[in-house]
Amino acid sequence: QVQLVQSGAEVKKPGSSVKVSCKASGGTFSRFTISWVRQAPGQGLEWMGGIIPIFASSNYAQKFQGRVTITADESTSTAYMELSSLRSEDTAVYYCAREFGGRSRRGNWFDPWGQGTLVTVSS
Amino acid sequence: QSVLTQPPSASGTPGQRVTISCSGSSSNIGSNTMNWYQQLPGTAPKLLIYSNNQRPSGVPDRFSGSKSGTSASLAISGLQSEDEADYYCATWDDSLNGWVFGGGTKLTVL
Repeated sequence: QVQLVQSGAEVKKPGSSVKVSCKASGGTFSRFTISWVRQAPGQGLEWMGGIIPIFASSNYAQKFQGRVTITADESTSTAYMELSSLRSEDTAVYYCAREFGGRSRRGNWFDPWGQGTLVTVSS
Repeated sequence: QSVLTQPPSASGTPGQRVTISCSGSSSNIGSNTMNWYQQLPGTAPKLLIYSNNQRPSGVPDRFSGSKSGTSASLAISGLQSEDEADYYCATWDDSLNGWVFGGGTKLTVL
């Protein structure tokens, strides 16, 4: 049973960067896409981007292009999401989730999810 | 503004049946399978329904999903107090080349 464990809460200054990790255990890491989804306080879910570790191939939501970098380290089964030029609106819980199921991403679903990492951006 | 449209709230009494709708377009719901997630207060989302109408192991058969054209629905029958949560629909969008979510529906059990 795959489990995703994320790094702890962060407090950052506006203009700085944050890097959140997501370590997978209990299953195959490299062959499945890991996506990052964020949730601002009291708001809904928003997909940021994803990576297929075996190909080191990532794609990003247009909103975050140029500001987010998603990487993966196959040797430690860990995915990372780095968000730069932080602003107060980036205060949110950031989740990683494994994409699973279909023959292509279009037929996938998110399961499991990490526990979430709260990133607070404040001066 | 979410790409997929859900009602912000829904409610029902114990034992009732409630449905939550999700509408989109030909580039998302119209072309791809729908998934639903349940988020209990203070917790991470959890997969509830995948591939339009499939339930993961452990999800009660009180939960069911359907899709038609550019809309989808989640139905919960025999409503229970522990069903009080936020529910999100999500699917792939071919035009955006990424995942899109509904804005979420807060279900209250009266």
